[in-house]
Amino acid sequence: QVQLQQWGAGLLKPSETLSLTCAVYGASFSGYSWHWIRQAPGKGLEWIGQINHSGSASYNPSLKSRVTISVDTSKKQFSLKLSTVTAADRAVYYCARVVAAPLHADYWGQGTLVTVSS
Amino acid sequence: NFMLTQPHSVSESPGKTVTISCTRTSGNIASNFVQWFQQRPGSVPTTVIYEAKQRPSGVPDRFSGSIDRSSNSASLTISGLKTEDEADYYCQSIDSSTDLWVFGGGTKLTVL
Repeated sequence: QVQLQQWGAGLLKPSETLSLTCAVYGASFSGYSWHWIRQAPGKGLEWIGQINHSGSASYNPSLKSRVTISVDTSKKQFSLKLSTVTAADRAVYYCARVVAAPLHADYWGQGTLVTVSS
Repeated sequence: NFMLTQPHSVSESPGKTVTISCTRTSGNIASNFVQWFQQRPGSVPTTVIYEAKQRPSGVPDRFSGSIDRSSNSASLTISGLKTEDEADYYCQSIDSSTDLWVFGGGTKLTVL
């Protein structure tokens, strides 16, 4: 049974770096892309970026200057770092697995609410 | 980059049929890169349609998807509406030249 389990700090101060990790259980790591998506309270979904098992990443242009997604294949984990957070980064952050062909997201993490407050 | 435009909300009665549109503002909408997600209140999104018209296992055939190239849009149709279908629905597509994902703004479906 495939599960994505995510964790990380839920309360940050402005200018700090958000750091979340997503672990993959019950499935291989290769052959998929691994995504981060966020949702501000009461708002829609926003794609943050993706990475594949070989470490090739792509990011939302609106966040690119502050985002790093990395992968640790030995642990079957991938991580998100978002630097210099502000109140606008308050959101539920989700990790997700995406099948390449046919392209579709099939498993999501449980979501992590990140709040930014001084 | 392009945007995906959805109606903010739609409502319909149980048993009826509703269609939610998703219009791509630039570039051609490509069927193999269109997904629809359902998000019930307080829940994680789930895929109800991929490749514009394919249903994942477990999604009832009341859900169907289509592409209209003349309007550069995708549509999600839900027939035989049930109260459990009440949720937010998001379309999603890809800039195939960059692999960057774009979500529509979401449509709140009310079944009343």
